[in-house]
Amino acid sequence: DGGITQSPKYLFRKEGQNVTLSCEQNLNHDAMYWYRQDPGQGLRLIYYSQIVNDFQKGDIAEGYSVSREKKESFPLTVTSAQKNPTAFYLCASSTHPGETQYFGPGTRLLVL
Amino acid sequence: SQQGEEDPQALSIQEGENATMNCSYKTSINNLQWYRQNSGRGLVHLILIRSNEREKHSGRLRVTLDTSKKSSSLLITASRAADTASYFCATDRRGSTLGRLYFGRGTQLTVWP
Repeated sequence: DGGITQSPKYLFRKEGQNVTLSCEQNLNHDAMYWYRQDPGQGLRLIYYSQIVNDFQKGDIAEGYSVSREKKESFPLTVTSAQKNPTAFYLCASSTHPGETQYFGPGTRLLVL
Repeated sequence: SQQGEEDPQALSIQEGENATMNCSYKTSINNLQWYRQNSGRGLVHLILIRSNEREKHSGRLRVTLDTSKKSSSLLITASRAADTASYFCATDRRGSTLGRLYFGRGTQLTVWP
């Protein structure tokens, strides 16, 4: 089955802790994206990557970091510098930037 | 920085009725896309319409694009309870080298049985 997966489905973070959200795709897509969604809101872009070993900041990158060492994988780390991390995080991929995006099922991050 | 703005924010209709959602944007685009999101799930792509197209159909969905007014509409005909979801428009800005989409805040559609 081709698709995009995210894990875990739920993640709990303690004060001062860094946590990493996983995103994997087997669609052979070049571009990958991370979005944050707060209740009743639209999507805000955190980071995106157009190609392996390259990524750009989105609109709300502060307190987050990413890596793109493999085409299939684009993990997102929520650092302790992100003071309000509680949200629904969505990963997406596309064949080329600007084209149709395929989304994963999301990870809900909660703070203990 | 959001590009698209959906209207209305919320829409409530009965099964069998048509649902129309609108999207306005500010800058010239290469394409405009509509997505659907069921509660607590990821987004699902519905239709992509390019700037040189005026109308596209997919099953019960009809999308129009008016580049002179910088607006698009999504029509769902003969709606069903299963169509209950949030609907988002997203634009690919012309001339942008950033390679990203700009999403609106969405329209929450509720279809009552």
